[in-house]
Amino acid sequence: AQKVTQTQTSISVMEKTTVTMDCVYETQDSSYFLFWYKQTASGEIVFLIRQDSYKKENATVGHYSLNFQKPKSSIGLIITATQIEDSAVYFCAMREGYNYAQGLTFGLGTRVSVFP
Amino acid sequence: EAAVTQSPRNKVAVTGGKVTLSCNQTNNHNNMYWYRQDTGHGLRLIHYSYGAGSTEKGDIPDGYKASRPSQENFSLILELATPSQTSVYFCASGDGQGAQAPLFGEGTRLSVL
Repeated sequence: AQKVTQTQTSISVMEKTTVTMDCVYETQDSSYFLFWYKQTASGEIVFLIRQDSYKKENATVGHYSLNFQKPKSSIGLIITATQIEDSAVYFCAMREGYNYAQGLTFGLGTRVSVFP
Repeated sequence: EAAVTQSPRNKVAVTGGKVTLSCNQTNNHNNMYWYRQDTGHGLRLIHYSYGAGSTEKGDIPDGYKASRPSQENFSLILELATPSQTSVYFCASGDGQGAQAPLFGEGTRLSVL
């Protein structure tokens, strides 16, 4: 069974700095997809970035990037040049490759607070 | 623009009553999902659907039924609501491709008194 673990409950950072948050996953499948979502204060859940298990290169979208360490089953999210509006809860999620129709398995989330 | 719309956005129900949460998507996605979000548990999958007429059990289906009458609509039904079902419910849709990230609706806050 797949499992996603985010051990950091909350992180506080100063604006314009870099924040890194961790995610560890468990799967028996050799093919899988890893996702990061952001949940804003209004409750909206927004997709940020994805990593495919077969790709060695770390994904990057805007000021979001991933640190994919496959041997450690780890997928960290890095936000550079943070802004106040980056304050949110960030969820790591996984989908195993054998059944694309199934929903994602989520971690419990990491709350990021960005201070001026 | 791709969209997933939930109704109602807020609902107060009585214990033992029937509750129906509705979800509509304009993305022409085959797959739709219902999650609930609770503090300490994150987002958990209740039911999902491959397409019109199909419903499948997710990780926590007990106490819930689902209905997918059309490609666009997916409902979550609580036949006999209980206080333990007080939660925030999210609907999502996806095209069924492994790499595609599901799109989420705005959520429905349900309180069962």
